[in-house]
Amino acid sequence: QVQLVESGGGVVQPGRSLTLSCAASGFTFDTYAMHWVRQAPGKGLEWVAVIAKDGRDKKFADSVKGRFTISRDNSRNTLSLQMNSLTSEDTAVYYCAKDVQIGAAAYYFDYWGQGTSVTVSS
Amino acid sequence: EVVLTQSPATLSLSPGERATLSCRASQRVGRDLAWYQQKPGQAPRLLIYAASNRATGIAARFSGSGSGTDFALTISSLEPEDFALYYCQQRSTWPQLTFGGGTRVEIK
Repeated sequence: QVQLVESGGGVVQPGRSLTLSCAASGFTFDTYAMHWVRQAPGKGLEWVAVIAKDGRDKKFADSVKGRFTISRDNSRNTLSLQMNSLTSEDTAVYYCAKDVQIGAAAYYFDYWGQGTSVTVSS
Repeated sequence: EVVLTQSPATLSLSPGERATLSCRASQRVGRDLAWYQQKPGQAPRLLIYAASNRATGIAARFSGSGSGTDFALTISSLEPEDFALYYCQQRSTWPQLTFGGGTRVEIK
C-alpha cells in the first residue's frame, strides 16, 4: 500500500532554514509528480510546491517562491523541501502528497503523509 | 487568485440524512475541482476529483457535481464516520492552486 512518511519538522528561529523529507513506498515513485501542502494551526490547506516525476520541472506558491526549494531522489524514493528565510507565517503542518495521475501533474492529491510540524518562533 | 467559498461553514445533521455541501469559485474553473475529507489529527483524503469522479476506494454515497463556478458534494446518507471537515480545491489556475475554507459536518 502507498505510504508517505514525512520527517524533519521542529522548532526553528525566524530567518533560519529547515529541510523536510518524505519517504515514499508502495508505488512507482518515479512515475508521479509529488507535492507539498501545508496547514497552519487551526487553518485551511495551502498548496506549497510540486516537482515533476523526473525532477526537472518545479513550481511554487507565490508565498514561498524564492525561499523554498523542492527536490527528489528517485533512486531512494524520497522527496525533500528545503525552506529558507523562515517566518512565523510558515508555521504549519507540512504534508507530502502524491499526485493522482501517472506522468504529468494533475494537481489533485490522492495520498498524503501524516505530516510533520514546523514551528517558526524565537 | 481564485477564491473558493464553501457553505455552510457548519452543517448539523443526523446519521442517515443527506448532506449537500457547496463550493463557489470567484471565477470559472471548468470542472477542475476536487473534494477532500479531513478528520481531526489526520491528513486529508481525496474523495472527488474533476468535479464528479470518485477517487479509488471512495464509497458510492459520495458524489460530486457542478461546473464553472458552482459545485456541490453530496453524501446521500450520512454514516457515523462521515462527520468531518470537507475542503474543495481548484486546479484551474495551476500551479497556483487554492482550497476553500472548509465545511464542518457535525452530528446534530
